Amino acid sequence: DGGITQSPKYLFRKEGQNVTLSCEQNLNHDAMYWYRQDPGQGLRLIYYSQIVNDFQKGDIAEGYSVSREKKESFPLTVTSAQKNPTAFYLCASSMNAGEQYFGPGTRLTVT
Amino acid sequence: AQSVTQLDSHVSVSEGTPVLLRCNYSSSYSPSLFWYVQHPNKGLQLLLKYTSAATLVKGINGFEAEFKKSETSFHLTKPSAHMSDAAEYFCVVSVSNTGNQFYFGTGTSLTVIP
Repeated sequence: DGGITQSPKYLFRKEGQNVTLSCEQNLNHDAMYWYRQDPGQGLRLIYYSQIVNDFQKGDIAEGYSVSREKKESFPLTVTSAQKNPTAFYLCASSMNAGEQYFGPGTRLTVT
Repeated sequence: AQSVTQLDSHVSVSEGTPVLLRCNYSSSYSPSLFWYVQHPNKGLQLLLKYTSAATLVKGINGFEAEFKKSETSFHLTKPSAHMSDAAEYFCVVSVSNTGNQFYFGTGTSLTVIP
């Protein structure tokens, strides 16, 4: 069954801790993306990767880091430098500017 | 430059009445256009897409959208709203020569009144 998985669904962390969100896809898509969603603000692009071992900053990359060591995986680390990390995080993938496929999301709460 | 404007942040309709969610886009090149739906605390699901074929696009769950180049619009419609249509809807544009980049509207929240 093809698709994108994100884990965990809910994540709680203390302020000052780094946390890594998982995103895996078995669609053989080249491109992968991370978005942040806050209430009433739509989706904002954090990072994207068009091929393995390459990624680019999106609109709100500060305080986040990513890696793309495998085609299937694009983990996102929320660092302690991110001022307001509590949000809903969505991962997506696409092939050759076709439509994006989204994962179910991870809701991160930092207290 | 590419951008998307969803003209209504909130739309309320009665069950069984038509739905119209409006989207205008700006693109320097021939765009691909998409509508996604998001239910609370879920990921986004593709409703339909336009990729330079037929201008009237039919999607899932009875939704359709018409690409009007002269009006730079891609409005989403459904003849009869169902309670399960209550969700957030996003209009998205992509342009192939910007790489695999997508530009999102800010979303329209659809409420369906029983």
